[in-house]
Amino acid sequence: KQEVTQIPAALSVPEGENLVLNCSFTDSAIYNLQWFRQDPGKGLTSLLLIQSSQREQTSGRLNASLDKSSGRSTLYIAASQPGDSATYLCAVRGGGGSYIPTFGRGTSLIVHP
Amino acid sequence: DGGITQSPKYLFRKEGQNVTLSCEQNLNHDAMYWYRQDPGQGLRLIYYSQIVNDFQKGDIAEGYSVSREKKESFPLTVTSAQKNPTAFYLCASSPGTGPVMKTFGSGTRLTVV
Repeated sequence: KQEVTQIPAALSVPEGENLVLNCSFTDSAIYNLQWFRQDPGKGLTSLLLIQSSQREQTSGRLNASLDKSSGRSTLYIAASQPGDSATYLCAVRGGGGSYIPTFGRGTSLIVHP
Repeated sequence: DGGITQSPKYLFRKEGQNVTLSCEQNLNHDAMYWYRQDPGQGLRLIYYSQIVNDFQKGDIAEGYSVSREKKESFPLTVTSAQKNPTAFYLCASSPGTGPVMKTFGSGTRLTVV
């Protein structure tokens, strides 16, 4: 069964810092990996989707990388802002014999002014 | 605009009652999903449906039931058999089992009183 781990569980940083959020998975036979943002009491918003054949995806200040062989992905947030404060979830599709996505528990990020 | 609508946003259930959470999408997506989220936890899959009149159990289906009579609707019933139903419930949809992952609703928070 696929397992997804996100480190750290929580992070509090001053505005302007560059951040790295980590996601690891146990089965490298994945179809894709997706990063989501969740604001308190809200649904999930898709940030970046990386297909298994890709190494990275970029959107604005966000960059996500994928290393399938080592079972890792990182989400890089450049020049963090208070508006980036949210929980960031990683989801992996495939692996463990299933196409159904498996979610990590998320990293709770607070960016203070 | 296309999207997923979950209702109600907040729901209170008495002990022993069944309650139904609504999920409607106008994205013409084939697949729909129900997830449960507890504080500090990742999303856990309750049920999913790939096509009308068909659905499959996820990881934590006990105490829940679903139906998929129409493509755009996938209601979730939390039965009295679910002993710890207090949680945040998220509905999602996707075009199918292909590479694009899900669009999420804004969630329903269920509380047992």
